[in-house]
Amino acid sequence: SQQGEEDPQALSIQEGENATMNCSYKTSINNLQWYRQNSGRGLVHLILIRSNEREKHSGRLRVTLDTSKKSSSLLITASRAADTASYFCATDPSDKIIFGKGTRLHILP
Amino acid sequence: DGGITQSPKYLFRKEGQNVTLSCEQNLNHDAMYWYRQDPGQGLRLIYYSQIVNDFQKGDIAEGYSVSREKKESFPLTVTSAQKNPTAFYLCASSVTNNEQFFGPGTRLTVL
Repeated sequence: SQQGEEDPQALSIQEGENATMNCSYKTSINNLQWYRQNSGRGLVHLILIRSNEREKHSGRLRVTLDTSKKSSSLLITASRAADTASYFCATDPSDKIIFGKGTRLHILP
Repeated sequence: DGGITQSPKYLFRKEGQNVTLSCEQNLNHDAMYWYRQDPGQGLRLIYYSQIVNDFQKGDIAEGYSVSREKKESFPLTVTSAQKNPTAFYLCASSVTNNEQFFGPGTRLTVL
């Protein structure tokens, strides 16, 4: 079974609204990362949050981590058409990183 | 420019043929990875290498082989033993388990 699972699987919002997606995982981690993938492209790293951190910001992105609940959330504020993509969380329960199945985000004009 | 490249972008193969996908990086990263992605799905790890001349199987290594003779290069061979090879293949590199840098991917289609 997946170490990290994103929720929801798909999300459609109006341009300008905020988008929130969640990631739950099963075992202890050192870091949790979020990546974006545009259709047919490679993944692009967005942000890394360490297990001793609770919140991190990068531009319009805000990531939270709750190790007691084994969950993380990614908030994209003031969404734009260019934010349309799939978003994956990645955790490191062992010597390799494991990706979830992703949330497909669609920004409506 | 530093980065990670994959070639070719599109690849067609007849059933029963082996095919090799190229992955090169000039980021001086020790670790390299191969993932398979099927439509609407996440990434599944095929093989990874944390140092030259060493590599480990990932979750779906059957039907695939790799080599790591140079730090910069981590080619993946899809053999005829792979039952369902049509997929999007992504290569990545990193410094240990930190941020992974991905190539643009190779879309393999078996005819």
